[in-house]
Amino acid sequence: GQNIDQPTEMTATEGAIVQINCTYQTSGFNGLFWYQQHAGEAPTFLSYNVLDGLEEKGRFSSFLSRSKGYSYLLLKELQMKDSASYLCARRIGGATNKLIFGTGTLLAVQP
Amino acid sequence: GAGVSQSPSNKVTEKGKDVELRCDPISGHTALYWYRQSLGQGLEFLIYFQGNSAPDKSGLPSDRFSAERTGGSVSTLTIQRTQQEDSAVYLCASSDRRQDYTQYFGPGTRLTVL
Repeated sequence: GQNIDQPTEMTATEGAIVQINCTYQTSGFNGLFWYQQHAGEAPTFLSYNVLDGLEEKGRFSSFLSRSKGYSYLLLKELQMKDSASYLCARRIGGATNKLIFGTGTLLAVQP
Repeated sequence: GAGVSQSPSNKVTEKGKDVELRCDPISGHTALYWYRQSLGQGLEFLIYFQGNSAPDKSGLPSDRFSAERTGGSVSTLTIQRTQQEDSAVYLCASSDRRQDYTQYFGPGTRLTVL
């Protein structure tokens, strides 16, 4: 991805907690998005952060630090169905709302 | 309500042929985007439509690629004289100001150029 870095792969155990980190280029920043993508399916919106801090939504939470160009997605009480790719994307400000995506983190949840 | 729909779901074509991919956005969404996802790559922005404004075509990889959006709703992405490197999944998304322009994606069209 264009100036977005996230780990390529992660493995975690069912029932555990996993944190997926994302760093991005701060210039032109206008929001940070996380999407979940199961193999062969469309990306599904998970969370959106535009201000610093933690946004919690059920088992999923997302954190943003604008000054550090850093975000993470926290998944609690992992389930097998959480095995998927997690895509970090930053929105470009200005006239366009296009998203710049990282290459995604492939999470494998093991029993 | 209905989500973003795309057709066809799969398209196999021969090198040099033209293809058209269709996207129906969520009803009422003013913004529409095209991305493509190649194997092992992140989503790559192609083009953005917002209402009646001039589209942002900055992501189109070559002049073989074009897109239009008729009546502020349905969009068609056209690839002329397809090449093997055009093989990818082409994803469409739509968004609206009322949802802070969060983009919702369609299921994609898997294009294979032989």
